[in-house]
Order: sequence, then C-alpha cells, then structure tokens
Amino acid sequence: DTGVSQDPRHKITKRGQNVTFRCDPISEHNRLYWYRQTLGQGPEFLTYFQNEAQLEKSRLLSDRFSAERPKGSFSTLEIQRTEQGDSAMYLCASSRGRGTSGPWQETQYFGPGTRLLVL
Amino acid sequence: GENVEQHPSTLSVQEGDSAVIKCTYSDSASNYFPWYKQELGKGPQLIIDIRSNVGEKKDQRIAVTLNKTAKHFSLHITETQPEDSAVYFCAAPLGNNAGNMLTFGGGTRLMVKP
Repeated sequence: DTGVSQDPRHKITKRGQNVTFRCDPISEHNRLYWYRQTLGQGPEFLTYFQNEAQLEKSRLLSDRFSAERPKGSFSTLEIQRTEQGDSAMYLCASSRGRGTSGPWQETQYFGPGTRLLVL
Repeated sequence: GENVEQHPSTLSVQEGDSAVIKCTYSDSASNYFPWYKQELGKGPQLIIDIRSNVGEKKDQRIAVTLNKTAKHFSLHITETQPEDSAVYFCAAPLGNNAGNMLTFGGGTRLMVKP
C-alpha cells in the first residue's frame, strides 16, 4: 500500500492555458474522488468515479473541467482555458467501495494534492 | 445537501493540555463522520472516524464522540504535543448518497505552544 499519489505537486500556468493533473489511487480501491481546496477552506467535492464510470459531478465542475478514469485505475483532471479563480489545491482521494446502492461509508484516503496557480 | 459547521476556527493550547473541536451537521441520515488532519502543503490525513452505531471511539490520545440526537460530533485530543499543530477538518457524507462524497467543515487551526 503506497498511498494515493498525485502529479504534478505544483503547477504554475498563465490564464487561458490548459492543464492536466494525474491521480493514482491505492491499488485495490475502486472509488476515486476529486476535491478542490482553496486557501483557508475545507475541501469541496468535484466528481467521483466507481471503476471507470463517472457517477457524480458537482455543480462546481464547470464545462471547462473534465475528468477521466479510462481503465478504472489512474484518473486525470483537465482544466481548459484556466482562469485565476481556478487557483487552488486539487485533491484526489480513493476508497474501497463495495456497491453502487445505498449509503456505504468507506474511508477515503487523500493524496498530497496538486497546487495550481493561475497567473 | 449536508451542511457541516465547525468550531472554533482557531485554537491555541499549551503543550500537555487538551483540545476539543466541535462540529454540527444538518442531515439526520448521515451515519459516518471522519476527522482529518492537514499539515501545511500536504493532503488531509485521516486520524479517526466514527460510524453512527457507536457514541464514542478512542485511539490513544485521540477520541471522537457522537451525539446523533443533537447532530453534533467532537474531536478530543489529550496531552497535546507540538506536532499536533495543524488544521483539523471534520466531515460528513454529502447527502444520502451511494458514493460517500464528503462535505467538510471549515477547519480548525490548532496551535500547541511548547
């Protein structure tokens, strides 16, 4: 168990550029979550995958954001035409979900995050 | 959806004293309450969690209590040490959802003075 890893750890970009982040979950975890955290705030849910299926998206996830998990393992989060308001820490978490129905609270383990700064 | 309120936003204690952080939640269907510790520049690290079938859980110097009737839960840290200094977040499931998405409190910055 090597934990959740994220790459890159830091990204500085200019407004209008596209950026892509990668998350590698804990190997046996089938659920993967993306959260965004701005300075001084708690993480806010963006989207979640069960295996390769994207099952939930927050209203925070504008159409400039897209996430994929093509083989049910690693995931990517892309932000197109970045804006200064996108500057934040992007966190990935994973858990071992056991089903798709009913509330099943599995522990989520977070990665170190990718800190994005849009100039 | 779930709303989680966390207090206090900052807490300063002397090394060796106890620290208590409180959270309230709005959705009575919520049944899982994790606590995370976040150090500067790092992701949140789970330190303890509690499910609604118990009222208290302890792990060494850390304990969590849950009052389902009042819809609040608290983190208790005893014999605080300087390395306990960090931001602590409580969380609860975002609505009655199958995916276990979490909604977080606003965080408590704990400072332990040596």
